Amino acid sequence: KQEVTQIPAALSVPEGENLVLNCSFTDSAIYNLQWFRQDPGKGLTSLLLIQSSQREQTSGRLNASLDKSSGRSTLYIAASQPGDSATYLCAVSSGAGDNDMRFGAGTRLTVKP
Amino acid sequence: EAQVTQNPRYLITVTGKKLTVTCSQNMNHEYMSWYRQDPGLGLRQIYYSMNVEVTDKGDVPEGYKVSRKEKRNFPLILESPSPNQTSLYFCASSLGRVTGELFFGEGSRLTVL
Repeated sequence: KQEVTQIPAALSVPEGENLVLNCSFTDSAIYNLQWFRQDPGKGLTSLLLIQSSQREQTSGRLNASLDKSSGRSTLYIAASQPGDSATYLCAVSSGAGDNDMRFGAGTRLTVKP
Repeated sequence: EAQVTQNPRYLITVTGKKLTVTCSQNMNHEYMSWYRQDPGLGLRQIYYSMNVEVTDKGDVPEGYKVSRKEKRNFPLILESPSPNQTSLYFCASSLGRVTGELFFGEGSRLTVL
């Protein structure tokens, strides 16, 4: 059974810092991995989708990497801004024999002005 | 505008009173899914559908029903709601489970008294 873990659970940084959020998963037989952002009381917004054959994806100040063999993904946020404050979740879409998609518990990020 | 629409957004009901949460997407997506989000437990999948008339159980299907008679709609039915189904519910869709970016609705907050 696929398990997805995100560390740390919460992170507070001053504005302008570069930061890394971590996601690990136990079964490397995945179709894809996605990073989402969730603001309080809101739905999830997809940030980056990495297919199993890819190593990384970039969008603006965000860069996500995927290492299937080690069961890890990182989300790098450059030059953080207060507007980046939110909870960031990773989700793994797994192969046959498992129930579809599993989410990590998220990392709650606070960027202080 | 591409979107996933859920209704109602907020609902307070009583134990045993059947209710339906509707979900509609305008992106011609094949894959749709329902999740519930609870503090400390994260996002858990209830049911998903790979296409019309094809549905499968997720991690927590007990007490819920779904149907997929049309591609755009994927309603979640609670035949006899109980207080432990008080939660924040999300519907999501994508082109396909394997390759698709997942789009989420804004969420439906349900309270069962």
